[in-house]
Amino acid sequence: AQSVTQLDSQVPVFEEAPVELRCNYSSSVSVYLFWYVQYPNQGLQLLLKYLSGSTLVKGINGFEAEFNKSQTSFHLRKPSVHISDTAEYFCAVSARISGGYNKLIFGAGTRLAVHP
Amino acid sequence: EAGVTQFPSHSVIEKGQTVTLRCDPISGHDNLYWYRRVMGKEIKFLLHFVKESKQDESGMPNNRFLAERTGGTYSTLKVQPAELEDSGVYFCASSQGSRSETQYFGPGTRLLVL
Repeated sequence: AQSVTQLDSQVPVFEEAPVELRCNYSSSVSVYLFWYVQYPNQGLQLLLKYLSGSTLVKGINGFEAEFNKSQTSFHLRKPSVHISDTAEYFCAVSARISGGYNKLIFGAGTRLAVHP
Repeated sequence: EAGVTQFPSHSVIEKGQTVTLRCDPISGHDNLYWYRRVMGKEIKFLLHFVKESKQDESGMPNNRFLAERTGGTYSTLKVQPAELEDSGVYFCASSQGSRSETQYFGPGTRLLVL
């Protein structure tokens, strides 16, 4: 079974400051890793995903995340945030299993509030 | 190309009533997923269709929930009878192919059971 822990439920930050949203996971099998964002009154949108290869993954809107297998982490970072980045961010995993398809397991979400 | 759509956007019903949620996936996507987020909690998987077949329904909370996907296109999720603890946001997602494929989410249906 898999589980995801997002260590911060809320992160306030000033505009143009850097931000890191933390995500740790637990799994007995290898996983794929995802970050989704939900803007107010919208559905979830994929920011980035790690499937294999380079552990540093770049996504949309200037976000990036680094997969750290030894620490079972997949933290999301942005060097300079904008007001428009205010949203809720979800870390998710799905198990790499042979054959078939698999569900996403989500963390509880982190609300990022960017202040002017 | 239209994204995943869900109807209604909001629903307020009384305990004991029936509600049916609808999801229209992206055209051509064989995989359709239902998830639910109860207030303040994680988004949790409910079930997964591949075309019209239920591939995994391990997340369905109980037999008051019935999901269908006739013809492998749109899907409905019926809650009958609704209970207070069914309140939350119900998300639908679709994907085209493999397990690493991106799941595209709809805006969700906010259900409030009074």
